[in-house]
Amino acid sequence: DQQVKQNSPSLSVQEGRISILNCDYTNSMFDYFLWYKKYPAEGPTFLISISSIKDKNEDGRFTVFLNKSAKHLSLHIVPSQPGDSAVYFCAASPIQGAQKLVFGQGTRLTINP
Amino acid sequence: EPEVTQTPSHQVTQMGQEVILRCVPISNHLYFYWYRQILGQKVEFLVSFYNNEISEKSEIFDDQFSVERPDGSNFTLKIRSTKLEDSAMYFCASTGGQNQPQHFGDGTRLSIL
Repeated sequence: DQQVKQNSPSLSVQEGRISILNCDYTNSMFDYFLWYKKYPAEGPTFLISISSIKDKNEDGRFTVFLNKSAKHLSLHIVPSQPGDSAVYFCAASPIQGAQKLVFGQGTRLTINP
Repeated sequence: EPEVTQTPSHQVTQMGQEVILRCVPISNHLYFYWYRQILGQKVEFLVSFYNNEISEKSEIFDDQFSVERPDGSNFTLKIRSTKLEDSAMYFCASTGGQNQPQHFGDGTRLSIL
């Protein structure tokens, strides 16, 4: 099932710089998109979401961009901090129905001091 | 901040035995979910539950699986006769409604021997 793909398994960024995590999807029925952060031995923690009627949503240091024509979304973290080091999951769901989430494989982000 | 709680954090069970994983969703949430993550793989949807019935289930969720909301607070996942391939992290999630993010518990690590 490759409906949601995160093509970069890992990313390393200098502290203070911008981190950009990418996600692609194939299912045109998806219209709600989320980013989760996960530390070892913990569950996914919700970070930020966007619905398909928008192309950008911002919350503090986190901004999500949605390009519907390219079926692509990205998460920008600026400035990156050491505590941001974690695995980041992109997830998508259709608005209708049970809204089950379809997850990407995750990207391990490492922030270097 | 309200959170989803799951017990136990780790369950070790002999193959063929029944296991019950427990979850307490966030109190005013109406939609409940179970997901699992096999080591090294994506987080994958198992089942969604709303208004005291299953609203959607995946092909993984076969007759060996069942869910129940026995009272106003608990949400359980039962596996009737466990198999080796059921070994995974099981996550419970809940949300208050459509276009609202799902919040996850820290998971139960299920190990089948």
